[in-house]
Amino acid sequence: DIQMTQSPSTLSASVGDRVTITCRASQSIGVWLAWYQQRPGNAPKLLIYWASTLQSGVPSRFSGSGSGTEFTLTISSLQPDDFATYYCQQYNAYSWTFGQGTKVEMK
Amino acid sequence: QVQLVESGGGVVQPGGSLRLSCAASGFIFSDRGMQWVRQPPGKGPEWVAFIEYDGSKKYYADSVKGRFTISRDNSKNTVHLEMNSLRAEDTAVFYCAKGGLSTGSFEIWGQGTMVTVSS
Repeated sequence: DIQMTQSPSTLSASVGDRVTITCRASQSIGVWLAWYQQRPGNAPKLLIYWASTLQSGVPSRFSGSGSGTEFTLTISSLQPDDFATYYCQQYNAYSWTFGQGTKVEMK
Repeated sequence: QVQLVESGGGVVQPGGSLRLSCAASGFIFSDRGMQWVRQPPGKGPEWVAFIEYDGSKKYYADSVKGRFTISRDNSKNTVHLEMNSLRAEDTAVFYCAKGGLSTGSFEIWGQGTMVTVSS
């Protein structure tokens, strides 16, 4: 199975900061990588798929990049709504795995 | 408006069974693969099972293979998860999710239903 490793596990930031989260796959997955945001008590929400394609309705301050084994999610200017936990997720041959999550908290 | 509504969760003893259902609306259900994803308390999500748009293909996580069965009824826009031989480690919120069209992602999620396995 392909393992996904996110870093950092926790990130302290302020409104307006530029934030970057990294996700590494244990083997190459091309661009089969998605990012989700989850607020407490809610289901995850799809932000980005195919590593860099923004899901409809997601603000443009979110962006994704990478291919192969290394990927990043960037929030260009952190907003109050963005304090949440973020997960990466890979797809390969009818198997899906998630990273362990990155919690973005208020500094 | 796309909506997924799960039901059937509850408390069950180890070794017991439970059947989850997910009612879909707001999209052409018979065109999309559907998934179940679970999330144990305080942990990240874990993919559980996938069913192709027409029910022709089914795939499972190793952790549930042989114990869980996914099915769908396209005439009723519903997808089910039959869970047998439940263990304490199956305790989680179970989400139904609509697969993205050729994106490998989970496009829309339901609100989830809690399954607790405890004696």
